[in-house]
Amino acid sequence: RKEVEQDPGPFNVPEGATVAFNCTYSNSASQSFFWYRQDCRKEPKLLMSVYSSGNEDGRFTAQLNRASQYISLLIRDSKLSDSATYLCVVKDPGGYQKVTFGIGTKLQVIP
Amino acid sequence: DAGVTQSPTHLIKTRGQQVTLRCSPKSGHDTVSWYQQALGQGPQFIFQYYEEEERQRGNFPDRFSGHQFPNYSSELNVNALLLGDSALYLCASSLGQGVDETQYFGPGTRLLVL
Repeated sequence: RKEVEQDPGPFNVPEGATVAFNCTYSNSASQSFFWYRQDCRKEPKLLMSVYSSGNEDGRFTAQLNRASQYISLLIRDSKLSDSATYLCVVKDPGGYQKVTFGIGTKLQVIP
Repeated sequence: DAGVTQSPTHLIKTRGQQVTLRCSPKSGHDTVSWYQQALGQGPQFIFQYYEEEERQRGNFPDRFSGHQFPNYSSELNVNALLLGDSALYLCASSLGQGVDETQYFGPGTRLLVL
């Protein structure tokens, strides 16, 4: 089983739609989780951290389900500018900052 | 506030050659991590440097080595290049200790091995 698994997509959704991505992780001791966004041929950029209590930032909501070992990202009212690859990132347990990336889920918002 | 910078932006090498990539961390950051991102894949962790020491290493052969300097900048060296080393090499900086664990990425170096 991969450490971090994501559906690579692509997810093609119309403008204004709501779309959700899930990501599963294998190490139950993992403590920190993030969603990064990567535009084509650019570097990943932090979208949001994922906390146990959930996290909302405008149209974006991230949730953590420790029992089932998955995190989710919900995007409401999709915009054309949301088209990108969304990378699930899990920090290894322990004192160091090694993180493991998923393969990324590609989102294409269609006019 | 300068972000993470990397050089060069693009590089073309032939099999068997050696390459050195450079990274300057975001101002105030002391930890540098290197990642390899092949086409269609997520970034794969190569190693991390903190206080001029390699702190952690991913599943990469010894052909991949690095260094961190007293000013926290870092180099990634790859020897005996293979075609499969063609990828985007990303550097990320962060604070080695503290509450904020966020890694900030540079624009990457695109390496093509022919």
